[in-house]
Amino acid sequence: GENVEQHPSTLSVQEGDSAVIKCTYSDSASNYFPWYKQELGKGPQLIIDIRSNVGEKKDQRIAVTLNKTAKHFSLHITETQPEDSAVYFCAAFTSYGKLTFGQGTILTVHP
Amino acid sequence: DSGVTQTPKHLITATGQRVTLRCSPRSGDLSVYWYQQSLDQGLQFLIQYYNGEERAKGNILERFSAQQFPDLHSELNLSSLELGDSALYFCASSAWGGPSSNSPLHFGNGTRLTVT
Repeated sequence: GENVEQHPSTLSVQEGDSAVIKCTYSDSASNYFPWYKQELGKGPQLIIDIRSNVGEKKDQRIAVTLNKTAKHFSLHITETQPEDSAVYFCAAFTSYGKLTFGQGTILTVHP
Repeated sequence: DSGVTQTPKHLITATGQRVTLRCSPRSGDLSVYWYQQSLDQGLQFLIQYYNGEERAKGNILERFSAQQFPDLHSELNLSSLELGDSALYFCASSAWGGPSSNSPLHFGNGTRLTVT
């Protein structure tokens, strides 16, 4: 089955800096890669996603890149703000299987 | 607000007991997914239902079962509870049979189960 590795497990940045979270997946058949943000006491919230036929997608301060050959994808957050502090999860989906999540990254943005 | 409603928010019970967790999907969504989140295991997929039928199965224990009703709400039943079943249980829904850009998963805020 699919295996998703996520790094780093914790990330601490200063307000205004950029943050990058990286994930690798094992199943070359995976074709959909969402990113979720989870705040304390809440469920994961979808923040951006990308399909396998797209190399990059951007939404304001958030961008995701996908390298199908290397089987890795990354989340980039620019101009970080304290409210970006949360746990971030990457995930990968194969059409015949399930949405598999990475282990999560705890992002802390210091004012 | 994701539009996915889970009840109850908290549940405390004893080992050996049985509980039922309830989920109402977003209006119009046909698929319901159940996930278990624990500190050491992350988000683990349990099971998916699509329009009343089981669609995909993950690492769901035999002591656990689920169903989706004609009104599309879903229930997750956990029986013979053990201490290790203590976790957050999330329900998610999507429009169609599998997650995609056109049918992303939206999560509820979960049910926190504590088994004592």
